[in-house]
Amino acid sequence: DADVTQTPRNRITKTGKRIMLECSQTKGHDRMYWYRQDPGLGLRLIYYSFDVKDINKGEISDGYSVSRQAQAKFSLSLESAIPNQTALYFCATSDSLTGYNEQFFGPGTRLTVL
Amino acid sequence: SQQGEEDPQALSIQEGENATMNCSYKTSINNLQWYRQNSGRGLVHLILIRSNEREKHSGRLRVTLDTSKKSSSLLITASRAADTASYFCATVPVDSSYKLIFGSGTRLLVRP
Repeated sequence: DADVTQTPRNRITKTGKRIMLECSQTKGHDRMYWYRQDPGLGLRLIYYSFDVKDINKGEISDGYSVSRQAQAKFSLSLESAIPNQTALYFCATSDSLTGYNEQFFGPGTRLTVL
Repeated sequence: SQQGEEDPQALSIQEGENATMNCSYKTSINNLQWYRQNSGRGLVHLILIRSNEREKHSGRLRVTLDTSKKSSSLLITASRAADTASYFCATVPVDSSYKLIFGSGTRLLVRP
């Protein structure tokens, strides 16, 4: 969905480095999410935010932190990257007013930790 | 943990044939959604079926939902090579409506 953008699209880093992945949306949605996808698996929820200053842990939050700087921006940080955080990372948004939780995804960031 | 399980994990068919993918889940749901993912790309929402609906159509897509069996199926009719992708079901639990719980997906290959 072109209304949800992620930067960078690809990143290779080394163990122990701090990494930030950024997500921006122009859909005007209040809810934003970060997921990770490992090969052959579905998506797993890392963190989610219902609005600015609202941050909630998902299924696999250890080793990650997030910041919701504005309604349109939600960034994911790996404070000290480790190899098993190598994965495809997706940001998504949804509109709480619809009640159905249909989510709109960004193109993904492929992260490799050496 | 993943709630949805999809079957088959991989499916290869000839262009023009129909493709059927199945999804099972474990808890009571508000709705069930199907998403498509082209290789290495983001997920695209295809169709949503509410828990009180049994069947829904959208173009060449037909989705069924059986809440008594906690299962759903996605049928793609008259498949095209461009339908080649991974397909995921995702459920919204009744008690956690903010969640979207994904299955592990079905990889569909449509041969020209």
